[in-house]
Amino acid sequence: RKEVEQDPGPFNVPEGATVAFNCTYSNSASQSFFWYRQDCRKEPKLLMSVYSSGNEDGRFTAQLNKASQYVSLLIRDSQPSDSATYLCAVTAAGGTSYGKLTFGQGTILTVHP
Amino acid sequence: DTAVSQTPKYLVTQMGNDKSIKCEQNLGHDTMYWYKQDSKKFLKIMFSYNNKELIINETVPNRFSPKSPDKAHLNLHINSLELGDSAVYFCASSQARVFTDTQYFGPGTRLTVL
Repeated sequence: RKEVEQDPGPFNVPEGATVAFNCTYSNSASQSFFWYRQDCRKEPKLLMSVYSSGNEDGRFTAQLNKASQYVSLLIRDSQPSDSATYLCAVTAAGGTSYGKLTFGQGTILTVHP
Repeated sequence: DTAVSQTPKYLVTQMGNDKSIKCEQNLGHDTMYWYKQDSKKFLKIMFSYNNKELIINETVPNRFSPKSPDKAHLNLHINSLELGDSAVYFCASSQARVFTDTQYFGPGTRLTVL
């Protein structure tokens, strides 16, 4: 089983739609959770950090369920500019994993005008 | 004003050659990383340095050797390049070795081995 798993999609949605991505992780020692956005042929950029029960930033909401070991990202009123690959990443707190970001394979989103 | 920069941006070379990729960050961060993103877009950590000290060394062939001359620079040297080394290599940095720290990525180096 992969350490971090995402539905690769692609998700093709019309503008204005609400779309949700899920990410599951296998290491129960994981402490920090992140959503990165990666545009085509560009570097990943941090979209949101998720530390406890979740957080919201404008149209984006991230949730964390530690009991079930999954992280979700909800995008409301999606825009064509949201089209990108969304990468889930987790870090563990101790041992040799300290500071190591483990990524999922990414979920591709295309928002049509 | 680029925070994390890498050179070269593109690298095309023959099998068996030796090549280097350079990374510099001007954020004053203590920790730097190398990641490899393969053709399936899977991004995986290779190495991490904290203040010039190697702290993460994933299962990477010995042909890959990172070097950190100072905490603002982390270079990656690859010996005897193979076809399977073709990928995008991203450098990243973070303030410290804290698992909550945001990692900032460079623009990537697209390596093609022929």
